Amino acid sequence: DAKTTQPPSMDCAEGRAANLPCNHSTISGNEYVYWYRQIHSQGPQYIIHGLKNNETNEMASLIITEDRKSSTLILPHATLRDTAVYYCIVRVAHSNSGYALNFGKGTSLLVTP
Amino acid sequence: ETGVTQSPTHLIKTRGQQVTLRCSSQSGHNTVSWYQQALGQGPQFIFQYYREEENGRGNFPPRFSGLQFPNYSSELNVNALELDDSALYLCASSLRDSNQPQHFGDGTRLSIL
Repeated sequence: DAKTTQPPSMDCAEGRAANLPCNHSTISGNEYVYWYRQIHSQGPQYIIHGLKNNETNEMASLIITEDRKSSTLILPHATLRDTAVYYCIVRVAHSNSGYALNFGKGTSLLVTP
Repeated sequence: ETGVTQSPTHLIKTRGQQVTLRCSSQSGHNTVSWYQQALGQGPQFIFQYYREEENGRGNFPPRFSGLQFPNYSSELNVNALELDDSALYLCASSLRDSNQPQHFGDGTRLSIL
């Protein structure tokens, strides 16, 4: 799986947009980008995923650059409950030998009042 | 739709003992993955089960073993417990051969004394 690089920590004011970057410069053409977050003492929560097109759901938007070497997760109106560790993960699609999520260390997002 | 459930939520064991952790997969999912998360680290892949067989394994010794049952639920067994086995053990279920994400339970917190 491709390796991802994220900043270790970020701050965001409540109500503002939180933009979390991720570099995945060695990504292959069939590898999807997945975003999860983990609030203390809970299991990772799936947020969104994409291949090459930008994606949006009720939680967030995912912007993937045209060369697919980086992406940005956008939380449009951050709340205090969005304080968590955010993981950007690249996994191989349709692997016949099984697959795993390589979480890395993620970005610790702190949303402040 | 029932999510991923894990039991027990907390467990205390001593060195050398054996432990069994349990996971019920989300309805409609046929694949179960197990992860170990040490304090302050991201989850690390242990192994994955599909069709009741191990289908992919991370860098964990053979004393970590598992089972998957016909109803897709799963067990993680750890023999000869060591102090470093203290961690949050996470189970995730998914649909094989799909780009849909893995969904996680809230884990079992295992403490080794």
